[in-house]
Amino acid sequence: GQQVMQIPQYQHVQEGEDFTTYCNSSTTLSNIQWYKQRPGGHPVFLIQLVKSGEVKKQKRLTFQFGEAKKNSSLHITATQTTDVGTYFCAGRRDGQNFVFGPGTRLSVLP
Amino acid sequence: NAGVTQTPKFRVLKTGQSMTLLCAQDMNHEYMYWYRQDPGMGLRLIHYSVGEGTTAKGEVPDGYNVSRLKKQNFLLGLESAAPSQTSVYFCASSSSLSNWAYNEQFFGPGTRLTVL
Repeated sequence: GQQVMQIPQYQHVQEGEDFTTYCNSSTTLSNIQWYKQRPGGHPVFLIQLVKSGEVKKQKRLTFQFGEAKKNSSLHITATQTTDVGTYFCAGRRDGQNFVFGPGTRLSVLP
Repeated sequence: NAGVTQTPKFRVLKTGQSMTLLCAQDMNHEYMYWYRQDPGMGLRLIHYSVGEGTTAKGEVPDGYNVSRLKKQNFLLGLESAAPSQTSVYFCASSSSLSNWAYNEQFFGPGTRLTVL
């Protein structure tokens, strides 16, 4: 079946440093979504990528979809303590449901 | 709008007991989902529904049943709970506007279930 992996599993950064998490699928995806889950909270939708090579930005967050549509990345510039949480990617193949990756847990030291 | 709500928030069961988790959404969404979240494993789809009266199996359906008698409600049942079902359960819903496959999922606050 479809597998979605994320690396790293954990990342500790000093406030102000950059952060990147990578999402890799075993199969070509139709689209990919990113979610953020704060500690003790529920996943909240961040963005969706559909096109090969697509890049989208939300303030300090940059999302990228690979040319082969099998991988994606989320980059945060100059992290803040409000960025703390677990970031999940969810990939979907044609006609299938979304499959979530295991997530990357980010901690930001002030 | 309350969005997606789940009851109960916490529950402790003994092995073999049964229970029902209730999910309700007030956004008139067609699609609803039940996930379980375990440490290091992300969210895994248990069952989902594409409309009132319809349900389908997800990735990990064994030991669970669901019902969607009303559009706004999606129930998850455990007939005979097992310790392996200790988890956090999230319900989600999404719109059917345009292409459903491209719509974001709205998650409820979760139910933390412990089976002893």
